[in-house]
Amino acid sequence: NAGVTQTPKFQVLKTGQSMTLQCAQDMNHNSMYWYRQDPGMGLRLIYYSASEGTTDKGEVPNGYNVSRLNKREFSLRLESAAPSQTSVYFCASRRSRDGNSYEQYFGPGTRLTVT
Amino acid sequence: GQSLEQPSEVTAVEGAIVQINCTYQTSGFYGLSWYQQHDGGAPTFLSYNALDGLEETGRFSSFLSRSDSYGYLLLQELQMKDSASYFCAVRGVSGGYNKLIFGAGTRLAVHP
Repeated sequence: NAGVTQTPKFQVLKTGQSMTLQCAQDMNHNSMYWYRQDPGMGLRLIYYSASEGTTDKGEVPNGYNVSRLNKREFSLRLESAAPSQTSVYFCASRRSRDGNSYEQYFGPGTRLTVT
Repeated sequence: GQSLEQPSEVTAVEGAIVQINCTYQTSGFYGLSWYQQHDGGAPTFLSYNALDGLEETGRFSSFLSRSDSYGYLLLQELQMKDSASYFCAVRGVSGGYNKLIFGAGTRLAVHP
């Protein structure tokens, strides 16, 4: 049981290049999330998917697109990378029914630098 | 608007007790979560309070007062491995019951 996996772990892009960050979970969770974390700051929600086939914007969606490919996979695409998108990106998932708790499980992160 | 406030840094010694406070202002509220993150690592879940009162899990406890829009994380018998950043997060902001809004985090340094 790998939990939440993300690829790649590290990436350097030039301004204007595009790339897709991949995320997969093997816990049969319904909800999946993409966050970014900048130095000394908390996590900010970019997009989330409450269930397969649905996606919604979070706090900072500009410059990003997402695809919920199936229940397991949720990808984040940068169409034209900018230096302001230099950050650590975390994917997370959550099952819909977890009783009195509300636990999100996080992947190891992708460290992205845009030059 | 919405905001969460928590201290930026806290220091303590091994074996001591430390309390990390979190106050929030939101347009909706379902619950308050706490996450731990070691340097270079991913956030990991510690606790979730939907109702007022204290929840205890081993050395960690979390408290919520919805009327005061306030919560805290209490860490007892501190160990060096507790040195990390701790984030409070509110569920249910702006009608989004299935998402979290995180605070900026409190960096805890535990000294011998």
